Amino acid sequence: EADIYQTPRYLVIGTGKKITLECSQTMGHDKMYWYQQDPGMELHLIHYSYGVNSTEKGDLSSESTVSRIRTEHFPLTLESARPSHTSQYLCASSEWEGGYTFGSGTRLTVV
Amino acid sequence: GQQVMQIPQYQHVQEGEDFTTYCNSSTTLSNIQWYKQRPGGHPVFLIQLVKSGEVKKQKRLTFQFGEAKKNSSLHITATQTTDVGTYFCAAGSARQLTFGSGTQLTVLP
Repeated sequence: EADIYQTPRYLVIGTGKKITLECSQTMGHDKMYWYQQDPGMELHLIHYSYGVNSTEKGDLSSESTVSRIRTEHFPLTLESARPSHTSQYLCASSEWEGGYTFGSGTRLTVV
Repeated sequence: GQQVMQIPQYQHVQEGEDFTTYCNSSTTLSNIQWYKQRPGGHPVFLIQLVKSGEVKKQKRLTFQFGEAKKNSSLHITATQTTDVGTYFCAAGSARQLTFGSGTQLTVLP
């Protein structure tokens, strides 16, 4: 079944640790995105990609980095986690026209 | 990205009452999309409006795109407890979307 998957679902990690949030989609979409969302708040675009080897920063400044080596895979990495990174991270993909399909998200807590 | 303002931020209704959320922009939008996010969940795409004055219906939900393509609304008739969640509008180009701040709907039984 075509879908978008994010792992882990929940993550609690200590300050200074390096983490990678995984996102994979099986729909063959060229466009993929990472959004950051605090509970009950709006979504902020932090990274996006239009295809393999294409990555751009979004409107919200972020200390994270992304890569797009394969169409289906769009991981997000934090080199040194801080408490201010505590949030929900949502991955999404889409065709060139039409709605976004979101993953279930990763709820990150940095202690 | 294109900026969209969404109102109200919160809405509490009694089950069976109607609900409307509005999305406004100072610039002409190429299209507008609507999403629903249940508490603890992720946004789910509901619909996309493209044409000036377009009206689309999904069961009890009615979506409208203004004649000037600067505003949109989502209306729910006779709300049910399953309608609880945050409704977001989103606008932009084929390259990326900007989401509104959302309207949190609470339905009281």
